[in-house]
Amino acid sequence: GAGVSQSPRYKVAKRGQDVALRCDPISGHVSLFWYQQALGQGPEFLTYFQNEAQLDKSGLPSDRFFAERPEGSVSTLKIQRTQQEDSAVYLCASGRGWDYEQYFGPGTRLTVT
Amino acid sequence: ELKVEQNPLFLSMQEGKNYTIYCNYSTTSDRLYWYRQDPGKSLESLFVLLSNGAVKQEGRLMASLDTKARLSTLHITAAVHDLSATYFCAVKDSYGGSQGNLIFGKGTKLSVKP
Repeated sequence: GAGVSQSPRYKVAKRGQDVALRCDPISGHVSLFWYQQALGQGPEFLTYFQNEAQLDKSGLPSDRFFAERPEGSVSTLKIQRTQQEDSAVYLCASGRGWDYEQYFGPGTRLTVT
Repeated sequence: ELKVEQNPLFLSMQEGKNYTIYCNYSTTSDRLYWYRQDPGKSLESLFVLLSNGAVKQEGRLMASLDTKARLSTLHITAAVHDLSATYFCAVKDSYGGSQGNLIFGKGTKLSVKP
């Protein structure tokens, strides 16, 4: 069956631009997580949704980062006024529930120039 | 705060040799994962370890968990070039209001040479 998909796969933004990254979770998956993976590092948690509710956004690095999942399926991670330190791979993962295994998408590589 | 440490961070092995990657974590958790990541690719789940003493094997890889020591190991037997990748351990964060997000180690970059 279809796995987690993310788009775009690559995004180049000039500093100061806004970007939107999309995640399509596995159908029926309740939980959705966003992670940020800097070059040469492990992924770091950003935010968590259960259905449409954003239950944890403690990992968002600044108020320039905003995530939504309005209908409990597709999620969008938006970064306003991008900075160079935002350059990373953004991974989305979904699961049947918060206590179930997470399945990762291919990621979006964001490069801010 | 849950912290996860892996070592070594870099590992260069010869084909046919054995080696072990270690993963220590700082607070109690009920779930530990091992993932593989190839360059430019996403995370591939290798093992999920749920209980003390759990041991799982798949091909040349074997993972174990000691919850009392807060230690997991990933043992590589008779390495082959195809195992070259970065391996991450990740521990489920179950405390302090966390909703079960994963805390990852920095990864072990494995290079298997002929």
